[in-house]
Parts: sequence; C-alpha cells; structure tokens
Amino acid sequence: DIQMTQSPSSLSASVGDRVTITCRASQGINNYLAWFQQKPGKAPKTLIYAASSLQSGVPSKFSGSGSGTDFTLTISSLQPEDFATYYCQQYNSYPPTFGQGTYVEIK
Amino acid sequence: EVQLVESGGGLVQPGGSLRLSCAASGFTFSSYTMSWVRQAPGKGLEWVAYISSSSSAIYYADSVKGRITISRDNAKNSLYLQMNSLRAEDTAVYYCARARTTVTSPIEYWGQGTLVTVSA
Repeated sequence: DIQMTQSPSSLSASVGDRVTITCRASQGINNYLAWFQQKPGKAPKTLIYAASSLQSGVPSKFSGSGSGTDFTLTISSLQPEDFATYYCQQYNSYPPTFGQGTYVEIK
Repeated sequence: EVQLVESGGGLVQPGGSLRLSCAASGFTFSSYTMSWVRQAPGKGLEWVAYISSSSSAIYYADSVKGRITISRDNAKNSLYLQMNSLRAEDTAVYYCARARTTVTSPIEYWGQGTLVTVSA
C-alpha cells in the first residue's frame, strides 16, 4: 500500500496568515492526489483533486501543487471558517490511502 | 444539488451484522462510482470499499475483506454496505462518497455519515 505522510500534524496560525501543508507519498502517484477539509462533527469536504484542480464551489484561497511524491496545500489568507483538519489522499492505486491529517488551530 | 444520505447505523454486538444504505439524489447515480469511507472516533479517514457504476469492479480494504460486501441498486439510486462478523475495531462513522466515472477518480461528494458502534 502507498503510505501518505502529512506535515505538520498540527499547526497554530492567525487569521490572515498564509498556511502550507505538505503531503508526501511513499511512491509516485502522478497527480492523483486530493485534499479534504473536515470540521468537528462534520463530513469531509473535497477541496482539491488532481493535485491542483479546485473542486466546484471551493474558494480560490485554496490551492494545491505538486506531482510525483510531493504535494502541498496552501491557504492564502486564513479565515475563521478555515480552522479544521485537512487530509490528503492518493487515488492512483488501490487501496486509496489518506494522510494522517493536519489540524489547523487558532493561535 | 448532489445529496447522499446514509442510514442503518446503530449499536450492534461483536459478531453481529448490520446493513448500511446510502440514498443518492441530484445526479445520475448509475453513471458514477461510489465508495464507503469510515472514521473511527478521534481518528483519521480510512477507505473501506469501492464499486464501479455497473458493479463490474469492486474493491475492499484488507481490514474488511471477507466480512463486508458493497453493492448498489441503480434503479433505486442506492448504495449498500452489508457488514458481517463485526468487531470492536469496526466502530466508526461510515461515509458514503461519490467519485467520478473511472476507477482512478477522486471523491467529489460526501454524505453526512452514519455511526456504527460495535460493543457488548
């Protein structure tokens, strides 16, 4: 199975900050990488697919980049509604695997 | 608007069975691949099972293989997860998720989840 490793596991940031989360795959996954946001008690929400394509309805402050094994999710200007846990997932091969999550909290 | 509504969760004893359902609306269900993803309390996301649009391709996580069966009824716009020989470690919120039309396609939409608790 492909292992997905996110860093950091958690971070504290202020409103207005630019935030970057990294996801590394244990082997190449082309660009078959998605990012999800999950708020407490809620279902995940898809933000990014194909490493850098914005899911419909997702604001452009979210962006993704990378290919092969190294990927990033960037939030350009953190807002109160962005405090959540973020997960990456590879869907290049089965089983699809998730990163362990990055908890973004208010500083 | 795409809607996925899970049902069928609840409390079940170890070794018991449960059938989860997911009612889909707002899109042509028969055209899309579907998956179940679960999340144990306080833990991360774990993919459980996948089914292609015509049910011709089905995949399972090793952790559930042989105990869980995914199926769909395109005439009823419904996805199912038959869970047998349940264990404490199967306790989780189970999400129904819609991907696109190919086997290597990303999850686009999620249901709200249904909680399965396996406990004596």
